[in-house]
Amino acid sequence: QKEVEQNSGPLSVPEGAIASLNCTYSDRGSQSFFWYRQYSGKSPELIMFIYSNGDKEDGRFTAQLNKASQYVSLLIRDSQPSDSATYLCAVDGGGADGLTFGKGTHLIIQP
Amino acid sequence: EPEVTQTPSHQVTQMGQEVILRCVPISNHLYFYWYRQILGQKVEFLVSFYNNEISEKSEIFDDQFSVERPDGSNFTLKIRSTKLEDSAMYFCASSEGTQSNQPQHFGDGTRLSIL
Repeated sequence: QKEVEQNSGPLSVPEGAIASLNCTYSDRGSQSFFWYRQYSGKSPELIMFIYSNGDKEDGRFTAQLNKASQYVSLLIRDSQPSDSATYLCAVDGGGADGLTFGKGTHLIIQP
Repeated sequence: EPEVTQTPSHQVTQMGQEVILRCVPISNHLYFYWYRQILGQKVEFLVSFYNNEISEKSEIFDDQFSVERPDGSNFTLKIRSTKLEDSAMYFCASSEGTQSNQPQHFGDGTRLSIL
């Protein structure tokens, strides 16, 4: 049984600060890792994906992957109130397997 | 930007009735997926579809569920005899391929309410 664990929060961060979201996964064979943002009542929206160990930056977002520790994180720099949402970590085992999602971390950016 | 479209946005159905949820994947995508999200819970994989057949399915995807690509653009999920516990958001997703750099893109979802 593949598991993806996230702290459900809420995680409260002041506007302009760095928000750090974490995720661990159980299946060592996992190949690709995704961060989706989900506003209440809406669908998951892809933020970033990463499949190599290390950091990957895209604008204000940085994804970090450590396969040895089975750990993925997402950093959001210069947090804005519009970043307030639930952030879903998802893991792909490869092939046409579906994604395994965590329960998500509820992020609140305080103005 | 191309997007996955789903219809209807909200479907209300009596328990025991059949329901069909529709999706139009992104046009150059080859892999299609259905997920569901029960209120307050995590997104759960149901089924993946490629080359006109099911590639993978989860334990949730039992005999009451079926998928079909009836024409070149639509991808449907049918629930044969709905139960109260089928009430959820159903998301369709598609991807170009299954390589690591070909992520899945989600539609806006259909909210299914079983009475």
